[in-house]
Formats: sequence, structure tokens, C-alpha cells
Amino acid sequence: GESVGLHLPTLSVQEGDNSIINCAYSNSASDYFIWYKQESGKGPQFIIDIRSNMDKRQGQRVTVLLNKTVKHLSLQIAATQPGDSAVYFCAEGSFSGGYNKLIFGAGTRLAVHP
Amino acid sequence: DGGITQSPKYLFRKEGQNVTLSCEQNLNHDAMYWYRQDPGQGLRLIYYSQIVNDFQKGDIAEGYSVSREKKESFPLTVTSAQKNPTAFYLCASRRIPGYGYTFGSGTRLTVV
Repeated sequence: GESVGLHLPTLSVQEGDNSIINCAYSNSASDYFIWYKQESGKGPQFIIDIRSNMDKRQGQRVTVLLNKTVKHLSLQIAATQPGDSAVYFCAEGSFSGGYNKLIFGAGTRLAVHP
Repeated sequence: DGGITQSPKYLFRKEGQNVTLSCEQNLNHDAMYWYRQDPGQGLRLIYYSQIVNDFQKGDIAEGYSVSREKKESFPLTVTSAQKNPTAFYLCASRRIPGYGYTFGSGTRLTVV
């Protein structure tokens, strides 16, 4: 299987609980942030994004919170399901970089237990 | 359905051999990217291209080469100069203007 998830921090949750995955970003000039989900052996899948002029954005069962003061991003997953088990990572981009050089975090592995 | 297709899914390379990874997209996206993914690390940019016949080096371009002869295609060659090529390679594309990257399903390259 895919070894991407090895050596990553792991968040273990019970099915039905809410999950919060955190990300610290590095570039204060970043103005665009994305959360991706990567399942074993597959490419990253877009979950939700947020621009720097927002603090919060909601999707279906997911919410992203952005705290620019401390350069922190979080992904909240409501009513976590076994199908949510994957590696989650954030990415940041900037207008000055032409959004061509996204900076990706290493990720957090989410393990959902029945 | 529109998307990005990477092939092959698994590739084995012998020492001293060049291999080419294929990436094709039918999303009509302008920019295409190649990333390398190693266990426990974030994606690292190898090369990217915003228009046909033009491409730029990323953070880890040494030992790799690319071409962009068509908008839909952005093949990556892993040359014998790349000393540690075993990794998971991901191709992505993006519409310009726009922010979101669409990723392919990846190619796992192993040196044997």
C-alpha cells in the first residue's frame, strides 16, 4: 500500500465524533489556502479552500478556519465517518508567487475507528 | 469526464536508465505541475509549465527533465542523474486565472 502516511502525526477518532486537524503555515504573504485529502495509493483530492480575506468557510461536513495572526489553519470534519480515514494536508499559495509554488504541509493521518 | 491521467501507475527503473512518466489532462487547464512525494514529507515541486513550449524549474529539478509540446501533455523524464528516484510522483494542473490544483492519481517509481 501507499507509504505516504508513515511517520506522520496521527489523529485517532471514533466514528461520529468531530475531528479537528491543524496546520501552521509559514509565509505571511500567503493569501490562499487549501485542504487536500489523500487516500492510500491515490492522488490528493480537493476538500475546501479559503482566501485570506475570510476567517471561516464551510462546506459539506467540513469547515476551515483561518487565523492570520498566528498563521494557523484548521480543518474541522463533523460526524467523522470511516471513509474519512486518510492523510490530510494543507497548502498555501500567494499572488506574488503566481500560485505556481504552493507550499504543502507534510500532513496528518486521520484514523477513524468504528 | 474531465481529469488528469497519469501512467503507468507503477514503474520500475534499473540503475542508469532513463524513464518517462506520462501526464495527460483534458480539463483545458493552462498550467501543469510535477511533484514528488516521499514518506513523511510534503509535496515538493519538480517542474511546472504555464504555457506550451515553456516550463520552469521547481525546488528539486536536478535529475529530471520535462517537455510541454501540447497543452494537454506534460511528460516527466527521470534521468540517470537522479540518484534517489524512488518516490511517488504526482502531476497536477490548474486553470489560469484560478487557484485550485487538480491532481492525477500518481505514479510510483521504484529503482530495482
